Amino acid sequence: GNSVTQMEGPVTLSEEAFLTINCTYTATGYPSLFWYVQYPGEGLQLLLKATKADDKGSNKGFEATYRKETTSFHLEKGSVQVSDSAVYFCALSPNSGGSNYKLTFGKGTLLTVNP
Amino acid sequence: NAGVTQTPKFQVLKTGQSMTLQCAQDMNHEYMSWYRQDPGMGLRLIHYSVGAGITDQGEVPNGYNVSRSTTEDFPLRLLSAAPSQTSVYFCASTASGEKQFFGPGTRLTVL
Repeated sequence: GNSVTQMEGPVTLSEEAFLTINCTYTATGYPSLFWYVQYPGEGLQLLLKATKADDKGSNKGFEATYRKETTSFHLEKGSVQVSDSAVYFCALSPNSGGSNYKLTFGKGTLLTVNP
Repeated sequence: NAGVTQTPKFQVLKTGQSMTLQCAQDMNHEYMSWYRQDPGMGLRLIHYSVGAGITDQGEVPNGYNVSRSTTEDFPLRLLSAAPSQTSVYFCASTASGEKQFFGPGTRLTVL
């Protein structure tokens, strides 16, 4: 079956540091890949997505590139802010650009950014 | 649009009790899903629906029932609550080609 493995946390950084959260996946076919963010006490929000190989998703300074050859979708940001403190989830949908109602999630990575 | 709404926000049950978690969306989305979130486990899919009258099981369906009589509503029923069902439950909806919208969650404790 499908699975997502992401970097164990927690991750603690100082403001303006570079962020990488690793994510690798196992899936058949051509899945779509996502990063979701969960702020304390809230539901999940889509941060970015990529629906085919070599696509780069980007939003709010975060980026991730869909690498089929390494089955990876690592999240990066060049300069984190205190407001980026949250839990980040990597996820996949078995559908390529279709309907994303059956997501498989990684376990989540807690990011804390200190001033 | 209210988006995806869930009630209640918090609930405490005793072992063996039954209850229904409510989920509604006003975006006319055909697809709806229920997930549970446990510490260190991420989110896991319980049940999903691809339209009114059509439901199917996800990764962890045991102990839960769903039905979809209307496009807007997708209730999750716990038949006989167990401590292992203590979790945070999220409902989500989407349409073809769109992102999933998540509700704010229901935090359930089973004693």
